[in-house]
Amino acid sequence: DIRLTQSPNSLSASVGDTVTITCQASQDIRNYLNWYQQKSGKAPKLLIYDASNLETGVPPRFSGSGSGTDFAFTIISLQPEDIATYYCQHYDSLPVTFGGGTKVEIK
Amino acid sequence: EVQLVESGGGLVQPGRSLRLSCTVSEFRFHEHAMHWVRQAPGKGLEWISRISWNGGSIAYADSVKGRFTVSRDNAKNSLYLQMNSLRTEDTALYYCVRDKMSVGPDAFDSWGQGTMVTVSS
Repeated sequence: DIRLTQSPNSLSASVGDTVTITCQASQDIRNYLNWYQQKSGKAPKLLIYDASNLETGVPPRFSGSGSGTDFAFTIISLQPEDIATYYCQHYDSLPVTFGGGTKVEIK
Repeated sequence: EVQLVESGGGLVQPGRSLRLSCTVSEFRFHEHAMHWVRQAPGKGLEWISRISWNGGSIAYADSVKGRFTVSRDNAKNSLYLQMNSLRTEDTALYYCVRDKMSVGPDAFDSWGQGTMVTVSS
């Protein structure tokens, strides 16, 4: 199975800051990587698909980059409503796996 | 608005069975692969099963293979998960999830609110 290692596990930043989360795959997954946001008590929501494509309706302060084994997810100008846990997920092959998650808090 | 509504969760003893259902609306169900993803309390996300648009391609995580069976009824816009031989480690919130594509896996672009399954004696 392909393992996804997310870092950091958690972070605290101020409103307006730029936040970056990384996701490293245990093998080449091309650009078959998605990012999800999960707010407390809610279902996950797709934000970025195919490593860098913004899902319809998602604010452009969210972005993704990378290919192969190294990926990054960035929030520019962090907002209070961005408090959530963020997960990366690959779909290069079955089983699909998720990263361990990054909990983002406001300082 | 796309809707996915899970049902069938509850408290069950180890070794027993449970059947989850997911009824969808406001999209062409037969055009999408579907998945079940679960989340144990306080833990991360675990993919457990995928079924293609017509049921012709099915896959399971090793953790549930041989115990869980996924199926769908496109005429009823419904997805199912038959869970047998339940274990305490199956305790989780189970999400019904839509795939962007007809076979998948791809991006999981719509999620239900989940149904809780608790396996305990």
